[in-house]
Amino acid sequence: DQQVKQNSPSLSVQEGRISILNCDYTNSMFDYFLWYKKYPAEGPTFLISISSIKDKNEDGRFTVFLNKSAKHLSLHIVPSQPGDSAVYFCAASGTGSARQLTFGSGTQLTVLP
Amino acid sequence: NAGVTQTPKFQVLKTGQSMTLQCAQDMNHNSMYWYRQDPGMGLRLIYYSASEGTTDKGEVPNGYNVSRLNKREFSLRLESAAPSQTSVYFCASSEARGSRGTDTQYFGPGTRLTVL
Repeated sequence: DQQVKQNSPSLSVQEGRISILNCDYTNSMFDYFLWYKKYPAEGPTFLISISSIKDKNEDGRFTVFLNKSAKHLSLHIVPSQPGDSAVYFCAASGTGSARQLTFGSGTQLTVLP
Repeated sequence: NAGVTQTPKFQVLKTGQSMTLQCAQDMNHNSMYWYRQDPGMGLRLIYYSASEGTTDKGEVPNGYNVSRLNKREFSLRLESAAPSQTSVYFCASSEARGSRGTDTQYFGPGTRLTVL
């Protein structure tokens, strides 16, 4: 049973436009959410996070929105750039001594020049 | 700072062979993790170490063992490799101190393992 779901395996966006990546979760005990970006043959790199006490967090071109009632979060990238082309993973953590992360299956974002 | 380093980068094993994947971090982090990533799937937690001297099973621990050698190093051992263990393995670390739920994990570059 997938507790974190990314239902879109891929997304293509024109350069300069907005990219919106979506993530849904089922476990109401999750209280911290993260987005990671992964290039081929590299490890995931941390992008942005949000605590469950907030509904929005912004860092430059990247904004994460959290809708707790819908158990949904999204990552907005504005404006999108070709260098943003990568796989984006949504992850969630909650109770547990080691703050274990549960990952979604990822969305491949392609930004077209 | 190198962050999280992993060795080797690539490895090919025959079924039944054993090997150890090495991981080290230089960020003075308390917690360390081993994940595997398979095509079309997210990262799945194999084992983790919340602090030096402790280890616990994650979601997919069968066929693996781990050792938290010291605060810096966390190794993953395959005693008898099977083709189902063909995957990309990532090590991660996190500070894991202070308030719950605000911890960020930092990942190494991965080890690509093929078991024939």
